Amino acid sequence: KAGVTQTPRYLIKTRGQQVTLSCSPISGHRSVSWYQQTPGQGLQFLFEYFSETQRNKGNFPGRFSGRQFSNSRSEMNVSTLELGDSALYLCASSGDTYNEQFFGPGTRLTVL
Amino acid sequence: AQSVTQPDIHITVSEGASLELRCNYSYGATPYLFWYVQSPGQGLQLLLKYFSGDTLVQGIKGFEAEFKRSQSSFNLRKPSVHWSDAAEYFCAVSISGGYNKLIFGAGTRLAVHP
Repeated sequence: KAGVTQTPRYLIKTRGQQVTLSCSPISGHRSVSWYQQTPGQGLQFLFEYFSETQRNKGNFPGRFSGRQFSNSRSEMNVSTLELGDSALYLCASSGDTYNEQFFGPGTRLTVL
Repeated sequence: AQSVTQPDIHITVSEGASLELRCNYSYGATPYLFWYVQSPGQGLQLLLKYFSGDTLVQGIKGFEAEFKRSQSSFNLRKPSVHWSDAAEYFCAVSISGGYNKLIFGAGTRLAVHP
């Protein structure tokens, strides 16, 4: 089975712009979660989508949003980028049992 | 609220030595517990998990972890470390009930001396 894929792997944006990141889960997985990893805050949960519905949300401002398509692929969007949004964004997919999550390689976002 | 504490930010061991990485969690009920490893520039790889049953769980790459309810701990161990084990290790907890929200510890960076 192919693993979780994320595109693009690297991204450079400037303050005020918006960005869209994509995640393709493992085939058959209906849950996709997003995490932000920074040196200062560590790994933080952004949100989870299950069958096209947001099921859980972390403590991030409304500039961070996401969606999930009928094929379980997910996108996350960050509007009005700030320098502090520079991070590794990780996507994880999960099947229907036991919360076991499989992570993709991440998208490295740099905001200048 | 759930939280995870990894007391050791950096650990250095010699190749062939044993290893124990500490993890303590705060949660009212029995959580689901995980250990992940991250190599530089990579995503997270699941080493092992605990959901219920036997409190000593075996994982990949020769790692094991023991769940101790009385100490709210889930420490990761390996009897003999290899140079390729150098990486960052994260302990994580999630609540039961089908919601995939992982709470991570701050991580422990492991260095291995030859």
